[in-house]
Amino acid sequence: KAGVTQTPRYLIKTRGQQVTLSCSPISGHRSVSWYQQTPGQGLQFLFEYFSETQRNKGNFPGRFSGRQFSNSRSEMNVSTLELGDSALYLCASRPGGTGGEETQYFGPGTRLLVL
Amino acid sequence: EDQVTQSPEALRLQEGESSSLNCSYTVSGLRGLFWYRQDPGKGPEFLFTLYSAGEEKEKERLKATLTKKESFLHITAPKPEDSATYLCAVRGGYQKVTFGIGTKLQVIP
Repeated sequence: KAGVTQTPRYLIKTRGQQVTLSCSPISGHRSVSWYQQTPGQGLQFLFEYFSETQRNKGNFPGRFSGRQFSNSRSEMNVSTLELGDSALYLCASRPGGTGGEETQYFGPGTRLLVL
Repeated sequence: EDQVTQSPEALRLQEGESSSLNCSYTVSGLRGLFWYRQDPGKGPEFLFTLYSAGEEKEKERLKATLTKKESFLHITAPKPEDSATYLCAVRGGYQKVTFGIGTKLQVIP
């Protein structure tokens, strides 16, 4: 079974621009979560989507948004980029649903550098 | 608010020198405690999920245990290829997953 895939793997943007990152979950997984990882803060939860609905949200400003499509693929968008948004953005998937498997599996991440 | 604290932040071992990594947590309604391994520049790789106090799981040189307040990742006779950052995380009753900062392990030949 193919794992979680993320595109692009690397991205360089300048301040003020916006960016869209994509994530394809493991086949059959309906829950997708996004995380931001920086050296100082570790992994910080952004949001989780399940069946095209945002189920949970972390403490990030409204510049960070996401969506999920009917095939469970997900995108996250960051508008008006700031230098502090430079990070590794990770996507994770799990089956989801009531009583579902709690373990989530991560993709390789997208490395975003904001200049 | 759920919290996860990992110690030590960094650990240097000689090859074959067994040790343990600690993960202390506070969570409202534990739905699962997770251990991951992460190599530089890569996504976390799943190791174990523990659901209730007293549970133990093993995989090769690694063994994870869980109590009501903490989890340990025991590494027996580590090899240089075990060098990585080990992450602990919990999922609470509100479904959010909270990660610790991690323990950076270096195993010297």
